[in-house]
Amino acid sequence: AQSVAQPEDQVNVAEGNPLTVKCTYSVSGNPYLFWYVQYPNRGLQFLLKYITGDNLVKGSYGFEAEFNKSQTSFHLKKPSALVSDSALYFCAVKRIAAGNKLTFGGGTRVLVKP
Amino acid sequence: EAQVTQNPRYLITVTGKKLTVTCSQNMNHEYMSWYRQDPGLGLRQIYYSMNVEVTDKGDVPEGYKVSRKEKRNFPLILESPSPNQTSLYFCASSLSLLREGGANVLTFGAGSRLTVL
Repeated sequence: AQSVAQPEDQVNVAEGNPLTVKCTYSVSGNPYLFWYVQYPNRGLQFLLKYITGDNLVKGSYGFEAEFNKSQTSFHLKKPSALVSDSALYFCAVKRIAAGNKLTFGGGTRVLVKP
Repeated sequence: EAQVTQNPRYLITVTGKKLTVTCSQNMNHEYMSWYRQDPGLGLRQIYYSMNVEVTDKGDVPEGYKVSRKEKRNFPLILESPSPNQTSLYFCASSLSLLREGGANVLTFGAGSRLTVL
């Protein structure tokens, strides 16, 4: 079985400060890892994904994530948060060569205060 | 504009009254999927379709049906809705899993909020 844990229900950060959203996963074998963001009354939007290669992945809107195999983590980061980054963030994992099965975490709400 | 369109966006219904949530995509995507989103549980897959006439169960298929008669449409059917199906539903699509080596990026619809009384 595969699973994703997002240990924080909500993250509060002041505008301009660094933002980190935590994600740990459990999967047998090598994973594909994804981050999606959901703005109010909208569907999820893709931010970035890790397939293989460089552990630091850069994505949309200035976000990046670091794959850490030993800690089975894929934390999302942004050096300087904007108020417009306030949204619900989802981490997801898929086992390579496992076909369709994509497992989402419970989501982390980010609130960036001016 | 490339998009996934769901209808209705909001629906309040009563137990046992059959309903259909439509989903249509204009990107010629082979893969389509339905998820439900519940607080603290993230997104859970209901059904998915790898291509026309090919559908399969996800993690929480009980109480739902789907069909894929055309490539662009993937309706979700609740034959006899119950209060535990009150949720936010998302349809998503992507290119073929085979084409992207399994790391396919999903495009989501805006969601359909369903309340069953």
